[in-house]
Amino acid sequence: QVQLVQSGAEVKKPGASVKVSCKASGYTFTSYYIHWVRQAPGQGLEWMGIINPSGGSPTYAQKFQGRVTVTKDTSTSTVYMELSSLRSDDTAIYYCARDFNLPPESYFDFWGQGALVTVSS
Amino acid sequence: DIQMVQSPSYLSASVGDRVTITCRTSQNIRTYLNWYQQKPGKVPKLLIYAASTLQTGVPSRFGGSGSATDFTLTISSLQPDDFATYYCQQSYSLPRTFGPGTKVEI
Repeated sequence: QVQLVQSGAEVKKPGASVKVSCKASGYTFTSYYIHWVRQAPGQGLEWMGIINPSGGSPTYAQKFQGRVTVTKDTSTSTVYMELSSLRSDDTAIYYCARDFNLPPESYFDFWGQGALVTVSS
Repeated sequence: DIQMVQSPSYLSASVGDRVTITCRTSQNIRTYLNWYQQKPGKVPKLLIYAASTLQTGVPSRFGGSGSATDFTLTISSLQPDDFATYYCQQSYSLPRTFGPGTKVEI
């Protein structure tokens, strides 16, 4: 069965960086793009970026350009999202999600369990 | 970026009611529109994709319609398990924007 298993909760100080992992299993890792989405406490869903595990450069939301880096390790079927220069308003649950894309159908069919990142001094 | 507007942002309804949530996009996205349900403390769950196709396992009381810029999620007979927040999302282009959500209270 398809699973996306994320790393655990993190507490970081303002200005630090955090790296969240998303390990995929149950399918061919390189066949599906992976997205990152975050959700601040009590807020909606915010798209951050996408990576193609088979190659190519990630694409990021303009809001996070320069602060976010999404990478992959095909040997372990893992995608990573690193966010730097953390601020208190980066406190959120960070999700990875698999992209099913067969036009005209395109949607997030599987999600990781989420990783809570708390930024606090 | 494609902007998403949902309405209402909150609604209170009774069990058995017919509920309609609308989503409007800032540009034509054909039928590249998905609906997710999120319960408190849980991961978002795909309900409907391509504007009107029910995801496997989703109860038939959920339905979606629309194209271009105007879309609707309908719950034909609201059940207690439907207490949740509902998000629309466009998958026409990057960034994959979400609507702000509609919180449904039973």
